[in-house]
Amino acid sequence: ILNVEQSPQSLHVQEGDSTNFTCSFPSSNFYALHWYRWETAKSPEALFVMTLNGDEKKKGQISATLNTKEGYSYLYIKGSQPEDSATYLCAFERYNAGNMLTFGGGTRLMVKP
Amino acid sequence: DVKVTQSSRYLVKRTGEKVFLECVQDMDHENMFWYRQDPGLGLRLIYFSYDVKMKEKGDIPEGYSVSREKKERFSLILESASTNQTSMYLCASRPGLSPQHFGDGTRLSIL
Repeated sequence: ILNVEQSPQSLHVQEGDSTNFTCSFPSSNFYALHWYRWETAKSPEALFVMTLNGDEKKKGQISATLNTKEGYSYLYIKGSQPEDSATYLCAFERYNAGNMLTFGGGTRLMVKP
Repeated sequence: DVKVTQSSRYLVKRTGEKVFLECVQDMDHENMFWYRQDPGLGLRLIYFSYDVKMKEKGDIPEGYSVSREKKERFSLILESASTNQTSMYLCASRPGLSPQHFGDGTRLSIL
């Protein structure tokens, strides 16, 4: 079983704070790193799929970076809003693994108004 | 928009029962997946299928089986439900190498 870890496990911030969290994954046989956002009572939705070392992706106030050589990705949220409250999941895709993803445990973000 | 539909949002069953969880996707995706989600453990892969009648074990297949008779439908079967299978179950589909599309989940309680 591959080791994909996310930290912190949970995070409470005030509206307007910027925040970031980490996903670490194996640095060998890398194919892609996925980020998903999972709001309560909804289904997880894809944020980013990152494939190249040094990649940076942005969607609104959310951005992500990727370091495949050292095996980590950061997700940043600038100026958090209450509607950003969700669990953020990363998933590692190994080369030649038949489209399987290995998920981390998630970071649960709560943004207080 | 891709739609992945799971048959029930909430389900309560008894120990020893045979339980079927159904998942249907409407976009002709080759790959379909079943996960369970438990607090602090993230999503763990139970089984996946890359084509009709094809299946592969994931990380935690014990106590489960699957069926994929048609491309759009992927069923998860708990052969003899036990209390440690109480969990949230998520189905997903994926067209090749794009992101996965998830259903809304089934919260299953085994009494």
